[in-house]
Amino acid sequence: DTGVSQDPRHKITKRGQNVTFRCDPISEHNRLYWYRQTLGQGPEFLTYFQNEAQLEKSRLLSDRFSAERPKGSFSTLEIQRTEQGDSAMYLCASSSPGLAGGWTGELFFGEGSRLTVL
Amino acid sequence: QQQVKQSPQSLIVQKGGIPIINCAYENTAFDYFPWYQQFPGKGPALLIAIRPDVSEKKEGRFTISFNKSAKQFSLHIMDSQPGDSATYFCAASEYGNKLVFGAGTILRVKS
Repeated sequence: DTGVSQDPRHKITKRGQNVTFRCDPISEHNRLYWYRQTLGQGPEFLTYFQNEAQLEKSRLLSDRFSAERPKGSFSTLEIQRTEQGDSAMYLCASSSPGLAGGWTGELFFGEGSRLTVL
Repeated sequence: QQQVKQSPQSLIVQKGGIPIINCAYENTAFDYFPWYQQFPGKGPALLIAIRPDVSEKKEGRFTISFNKSAKQFSLHIMDSQPGDSATYFCAASEYGNKLVFGAGTILRVKS
């Protein structure tokens, strides 16, 4: 059983360039989350999907950010016109419903995609 | 707006000691309180979690104490080991929605 995988693990880009991160959740996990983590801080919620529907977006997610999960499996997070303040670790997590159909609460995180904007 | 406040920022204990990390929250609708452990270069991993209908939960050397009236919960690590050195995050969620994380505590266990 593979865990959540993220690609690329590291990305260095110049300010103004676009970047895209990919997340492959644990198979059969219907929820997928994107978080951002900066040094010395906890993960900050960006957005999440249930199957292919994007159910919530944080105010942190400016219009330069867009996330998709077109077939309810993998997801992409694109950042357009990157700024130095976008430098962070972008974490993807997935979760599955519990036996009774309710949400278990546990998020399974990938190892993250570290973005450095020069 | 920080919904979950975590303290201390860092903690150093001797091997065998019992580090205690505290978290406080304001949103009384939170109904799930997990602790995550993160090693350098890795994503956070669930350590232990509690729901507000119990005051304490133990899993191995890890214990969560929960005080609903004070809106506080804490993590205790019994017989701490150098391998427990990591960053610990408390978190909370409401009705199966997103997790809100604390700022983290860097724990170092000295051998």
